[in-house]
Parts: sequence; C-alpha cells; structure tokens
Amino acid sequence: EVQLVESGGGLIQPGGSLRLSCAASGLTVSDNYMNWVRQAPGKGLEWVSGIYRGGSVHYADSVKGRSTISRDNSKNTLDLLLHNLRAEDAAVYFCARKDYSEAFDIWGQGTRVTVSS
Amino acid sequence: QSALTQPPSASGSPGQSVTISCTGTSSDIGAYNYVSWYQQHPGKAPKLIIYEVTKRPSGVPDRFFGFKSGNTASLTVSGLQAEDEADYYCNSYAGSNYYVFGTGTKVTVL
Repeated sequence: EVQLVESGGGLIQPGGSLRLSCAASGLTVSDNYMNWVRQAPGKGLEWVSGIYRGGSVHYADSVKGRSTISRDNSKNTLDLLLHNLRAEDAAVYFCARKDYSEAFDIWGQGTRVTVSS
Repeated sequence: QSALTQPPSASGSPGQSVTISCTGTSSDIGAYNYVSWYQQHPGKAPKLIIYEVTKRPSGVPDRFFGFKSGNTASLTVSGLQAEDEADYYCNSYAGSNYYVFGTGTKVTVL
C-alpha cells in the first residue's frame, strides 16, 4: 500500500523557521514528482512547491525565496524548509505525488503549522 | 498565480445533479487539458476524482463527470448521495511547472 506521512508541524513564532518532512512507503520519492500543497484554516488548497524526478525544483510566488524543497533518497523522504514564517503561512501542509497526467493522485494526511507569538 | 474561481456553494437533493464551475484564464484552463478535480471531506486529505478534464481514476463512480469549454471547466455529480457532501476543488496546470487550485465549492446534499 502506498502511503505518505507528514511530520514536523507545530507552533512556530513569526519570523521563525521550520522543516516539514514526508515519509513515503510503497513508492520511491526520487522516482516521482513530489509536491507540497497547503490549506490555511477554513480556506482552499494552494500548491506550494514541487521537485521533479530529475531534481529541478519549483515554488509558488508566496514562498519563493524563503523555502527549500528537497528529498533524502536514503530515507525516502521529501522535505520542505520554510524560513521567515508569516501569519499567512499557517496551514495544514500536505505532501502529494503528481502523476504523469498532471494530477495529484496520492496525498498524505497533512501536518498542521501554526504561526503565532 | 491567481486562484481559479469556483462558486462557494452548491446543493441538491438526493438523486439530483449538481454542476460546479471552475473559471480560469487562457494561461491555465484554456491552455492545457490538465484539469483535475478533488473531493475533500472535513478533516481529511483531498481525493482525486477527475484528471485530464474528463477521466476518472479507478474506483471513482461514473456519477462524476468532468468537462471543459474554453477557460471554464465543470464537474457534474449526478445521482447525488449523502456521501457526496464535501468540498470540491479544481486544479489546472498553468505552465512553467506551476499549478493553480480553485477557490473551492461546498456541496450540500439537502
């Protein structure tokens, strides 16, 4: 069974940093286009970042310049490092696999990030 | 990277049909046949129900039907059932490795 499990969320002060991680089982992270999608409380989904099989990375404008997506092939995990956190970064962050049809077909259950002093 | 526009809510009685629109631009929906739809129940992860505008993943009932015309995509849910009550989001590839989601529609089964 394919499974994605996110971790690393919690309460972070404004201006702080956090690292989210997504552990995959049943699929190899480096063989897939992996993404982070977030959902602010009571709001819609927002694509945040993705990393291609070949290693190219892409970011939404809302996090560009203060985020880094990466993967650890030895651990089969996907990470997201986010700096200079703002109130608007508070959300549930989902890890998701994008398939060849440009659709997000496998999702984790999400990890919640709260930004508050 | 503006969100695609969806109506905030839609409703129908059991057995009826409901159609949700998703309006984008000539740079996203109008440019690519990579529109997907997701169903999300409260507190749960989104679930893919339509990809490439009209296709259904294995296990998704044929009561879910997707189509597109110009810069607008639509999702029709026919034969509404209680379990169809959820939030629905569209998504489109927007070029240059960017993806944009819709604002979301809450479907209520009356």
